[in-house]
Amino acid sequence: DAGITQSPRHKVTETGTPVTLRCHQTENHRYMYWYRQDPGHGLRLIHYSYGVKDTDKGEVSDGYSVSRSKTEDFLLTLESATSSQTSVYFCAISPGQGKDEQFFGPGTRLTVL
Amino acid sequence: GDSVTQMEGPVTLSEEAFLTINCTYTATGYPSLFWYVQYPGEGLQLLLKATKADDKGSNKGFEATYRKETTSFHLEKGSVQVSDSAVYFCALSDDYKLSFGAGTTVTVRA
Repeated sequence: DAGITQSPRHKVTETGTPVTLRCHQTENHRYMYWYRQDPGHGLRLIHYSYGVKDTDKGEVSDGYSVSRSKTEDFLLTLESATSSQTSVYFCAISPGQGKDEQFFGPGTRLTVL
Repeated sequence: GDSVTQMEGPVTLSEEAFLTINCTYTATGYPSLFWYVQYPGEGLQLLLKATKADDKGSNKGFEATYRKETTSFHLEKGSVQVSDSAVYFCALSDDYKLSFGAGTTVTVRA
C-alpha cells in the first residue's frame, strides 16, 4: 500500500467553525489531491498540488483552501464549515508522469451539524 | 471537458455469475483509463488500467479493454465471489487529474 495517512479519520463539527484536514505521504510523490465523495457523484476534485507551495483549484473548490509547505503534507481547510460540506474526504497522490494512476488514502468522514 | 459515464447500480448477483459494468467516456485527447474498487469503509484501490487503444487491463480475474472506436472501457469478471462486493469506479486521466464516474455498487450473494 502507498504510504498515505489522513487525519483525523472522523470529525463532527458545527456550522461556522474552521476545520483542517491533513494528508501525509511517505512516497515523495510530486502531486497531491483532495477529493470529496458524495452519493451519486463519484469523487470530485477540490484542489490539487503539483509541488511545494504550488496549488490549483478543482471543480468544487468554493469554500475550501489548501496549503502545502512540505512535500509530504497537504492540508485542506474549511474556513467556515457548512452542512453542505458534510462528506467523506479523500487524499490522493501521484508521481506526476502525466496520465498516471493516483493512490488514495483511507478517507476522513466529516459531519457538519 | 472530460467525463465518464458508468452504468447505474445497484447490481446484485449470485456467486459464480458473470459481471459486466459498462463505462463510456468523453475526452478531447488520448486518456489513460482506470477501474478503481472501494470496499466498505475503505479508500479507493486501483483495480486495473489501460493506457492506449486496444490495451487490456486485468487483475484478480477482472478485465477491461480500451475501445477507442466506441469510447468504452467495460469491466468484466467471469465468476464473481462474495468478496467482490464493493463499489466500482471507472475513471480517466488526460492530464494530471482524474475524472470519475458516479460508481456502481455491486453485491454478490452466496
